[in-house]
Amino acid sequence: EAQVTQNPRYLITVTGKKLTVTCSQNMNHEYMSWYRQDPGLGLRQIYYSMNVEVTDKGDVPEGYKVSRKEKRNFPLILESPSPNQTSLYFCASSRVGFTDTQYFGPGTRLTVL
Amino acid sequence: RKEVEQDPGPFNVPEGATVAFNCTYSNSASQSFFWYRQDCRKEPKLLMSVYSSGNEDGRFTAQLNRASQYISLLIRDSKLSDSATYLCVVGASGAGSYQLTFGKGTKLSVIP
Repeated sequence: EAQVTQNPRYLITVTGKKLTVTCSQNMNHEYMSWYRQDPGLGLRQIYYSMNVEVTDKGDVPEGYKVSRKEKRNFPLILESPSPNQTSLYFCASSRVGFTDTQYFGPGTRLTVL
Repeated sequence: RKEVEQDPGPFNVPEGATVAFNCTYSNSASQSFFWYRQDCRKEPKLLMSVYSSGNEDGRFTAQLNRASQYISLLIRDSKLSDSATYLCVVGASGAGSYQLTFGKGTKLSVIP
């Protein structure tokens, strides 16, 4: 089944404890991206990647890191999480880029205490 | 700053009604346009792409007016299952960046 998977789905952590949210797609897509969704603010793009080893900042990259060492994986790293990073996070992939259908993962609900 | 603006709603309509959503975008260089649907606490899913010539998919019709930087979605004969939040999405490239910008969404509730 073609899909985007994210892990974990739910995470409660404390300020400053490094964490990684994994994202994997099995559709051989080139474009992958991370979004956060907050009430009243909608979905905002954090980082995106056009292909392996090519990443770029979205609208809200502060406090996040990403890497794209393999085509299928695009982990989101929070080196020192803070409470303002409490949010619902979505990973997405598409065949070639922003002109294509975006396929979203199921979301990761992160709470930073 | 790139912006996509939508009426947040909520739109509460009876079954069978026709409802229209509007969206405006600020980046005149935008190249791709979409409507996504998001059910509560779930991931967004593509409803339809939007083309300059307009396009229709069953009960759903999307229109794009590049001159006015305006996108619309019309839903005819609303069903209970249409209840969701509808996201207007615009894609643009420029200065080496390739980004999608999402509107905040319009919430639709179809009432029996």
